[in-house]
Amino acid sequence: ELKVEQNPLFLSMQEGKNYTIYCNYSTTSDRLYWYRQDPGKSLESLFVLLSNGAVKQEGRLMASLDTKARLSTLHITAAVHDLSATYFCAVETSGSRLTFGEGTQLTVNP
Amino acid sequence: EAQVTQNPRYLITVTGKKLTVTCSQNMNHEYMSWYRQDPGLGLRQIYYSMNVEVTDKGDVPEGYKVSRKEKRNFPLILESPSPNQTSLYFCASSTAPGFANLAKNIQYFGAGTRLSVL
Repeated sequence: ELKVEQNPLFLSMQEGKNYTIYCNYSTTSDRLYWYRQDPGKSLESLFVLLSNGAVKQEGRLMASLDTKARLSTLHITAAVHDLSATYFCAVETSGSRLTFGEGTQLTVNP
Repeated sequence: EAQVTQNPRYLITVTGKKLTVTCSQNMNHEYMSWYRQDPGLGLRQIYYSMNVEVTDKGDVPEGYKVSRKEKRNFPLILESPSPNQTSLYFCASSTAPGFANLAKNIQYFGAGTRLSVL
């Protein structure tokens, strides 16, 4: 059974600081997705990572994928309050099944 | 405007009373999927569909049915709902892998359906 684990599950940080969210998964996969969910809202796609070494950046967020280590990271640079949300990673396996991590609830404090 | 529309948004029902949650997308996507979200468990995939008349089980299909008779619609059916199906449900759609530029293959999610089974 595929396990997708995010770390940390809760993250409180100050504006201007940097931090990294980790997503570990237990089986071979070449596709990993990151999503954002604001409280009471639906999910928004952030990044699609398709191969080993893939790196995507959008604003203050940068995602990377190491398929050999079965690890993806979401790095936050100089956090701002607007980044407060819950972030999910999801791993795609054969047959296009998606398995999500538990989510990381990020709070950015002024 | 690209949209995934779920209905209803909120539903309170009783055990055993059949219900259907509808999902419709206007992007001509091949791939559609249903998830449930429960506190501390993230999202779990219930069923997905790669195209019309093609459906597959996700991680938690028990107690649910789906159908894909048309490309745009992917209803979720609970034949005999039970309290453990109380949850927040999301429908999503995207271009199926292999059919498009995967780097742009983002999933669009509906607004969610909050279901309570008493």
